[in-house]
Amino acid sequence: AQSVTQLGSHVSVSEGALVLLRCNYSSSVPPYLFWYVQYPNQGLQLLLKYTSAATLVKGINDFEAEFKKSETSFHLTKPSAHMSDAAEYFCAVSDLSNFGNEKLTFGTGTRLTIIP
Amino acid sequence: NAGVTQTPKFQVLKTGQSMTLQCAQDMNHNSMYWYRQDPGMGLRLIYYSASEGTTDKGEVPNGYNVSRLNKREFSLRLESAAPSQTSVYFCASSSRLAGGSHEQYFGPGTRLTVT
Repeated sequence: AQSVTQLGSHVSVSEGALVLLRCNYSSSVPPYLFWYVQYPNQGLQLLLKYTSAATLVKGINDFEAEFKKSETSFHLTKPSAHMSDAAEYFCAVSDLSNFGNEKLTFGTGTRLTIIP
Repeated sequence: NAGVTQTPKFQVLKTGQSMTLQCAQDMNHNSMYWYRQDPGMGLRLIYYSASEGTTDKGEVPNGYNVSRLNKREFSLRLESAAPSQTSVYFCASSSRLAGGSHEQYFGPGTRLTVT
């Protein structure tokens, strides 16, 4: 079974500071990993994904994440926080060990607050 | 393209009432999903459908039924609503892309309150 742990349910950073949101996964097979963002009262939107190509993945709005197999981690970073980054962020894992099984397992989310 | 649409956006039910949440996608995706989102618990899968005509239980299926009406539409039914089903419900769809990627696309959600 696969699982995702997001460390820190709430993270606050100052505008212009580095954003670091942590995600660790557990999977018995090579995983596919995703970060989604949810703005208030909206659905989830894909930020970026890792699908076994480059280990450093770049997404929208200058976010990026690095897949580290030895640490089973897929942390999300952004060099300089902007007020518009305030949202909830979800890490998710999937594997394709069963053909056609495209289910995702989500972490519990991290709410990011930006301090002016 | 509208993507994934859900109706209604908001709903208040009394305990014991029934209702159906509607979901449709116009991206020709094979797979569709229903999730519920509760504070501090992330998204939990209720049911999913890997293709037209098939449905399977997810993590929290009790109290719900689904219908994959056709490739576009996937509905979620609460036969006898309970306060524990107060939640925000999201529908999503996905399709296997070249190389195996299968990110899910989400609807805007339905906020359901059961009193």
